[in-house]
Amino acid sequence: DTAVSQTPKYLVTQMGNDKSIKCEQNLGHDTMYWYKQDSKKFLKIMFSYNNKELIINETVPNRFSPKSPDKAHLNLHINSLELGDSAVYFCATGLAGGRYNEQFFGPGTRLTVL
Amino acid sequence: AQSVTQLGSHVSVSEGALVLLRCNYSSSVPPYLFWYVQYPNQGLQLLLKYTTGATLVKGINGFEAEFKKSETSFHLTKPSAHMSDAAEYFCAVRVQGAQKLVFGQGTRLTINP
Repeated sequence: DTAVSQTPKYLVTQMGNDKSIKCEQNLGHDTMYWYKQDSKKFLKIMFSYNNKELIINETVPNRFSPKSPDKAHLNLHINSLELGDSAVYFCATGLAGGRYNEQFFGPGTRLTVL
Repeated sequence: AQSVTQLGSHVSVSEGALVLLRCNYSSSVPPYLFWYVQYPNQGLQLLLKYTTGATLVKGINGFEAEFKKSETSFHLTKPSAHMSDAAEYFCAVRVQGAQKLVFGQGTRLTINP
């Protein structure tokens, strides 16, 4: 059983297209995150949802729209893809009320925009 | 605001040698500190964490880290490197009440035969 899963694992698309990445977790956590890892491996948080409510939005362009249909899912939709969106996107989960809030990461989705 | 600095973007050691990956943090309140490992083409896996209490923390795969408040450091060590340790290592900090982790820029560990 994969604790945090993402689909697809690889995504290659043209500039200007719209694409979605899906994340599902079976850990029962109430908080889910999206991180972006750039070509230099730098990891930065993009969004965080707690119980389907957006709680962190780190000045990400509004072409990126997260959606959480339920506590176990957090999807990321990207409109009008640009070359600079090429990166690895990681979903993570945690417990907001958890004392230490360690986060558990999915395997990542490598997005390549041509 | 909290931040993390990892000294050395690339560390190379021989198999069997000591591994030392450096992490310094900045936080105005007591932090929670984490080390994650990322193997090629995989997600991040938690190696160990410091929360409160004992300052020497043991993690998986023989790694440990020591929290030194006076030096604002949380360096990761392993007495004897193994080829399978080759990966990217990330130090992260979270302060109480904050929902997010702030990551360092990562250190790539290479093991030479």
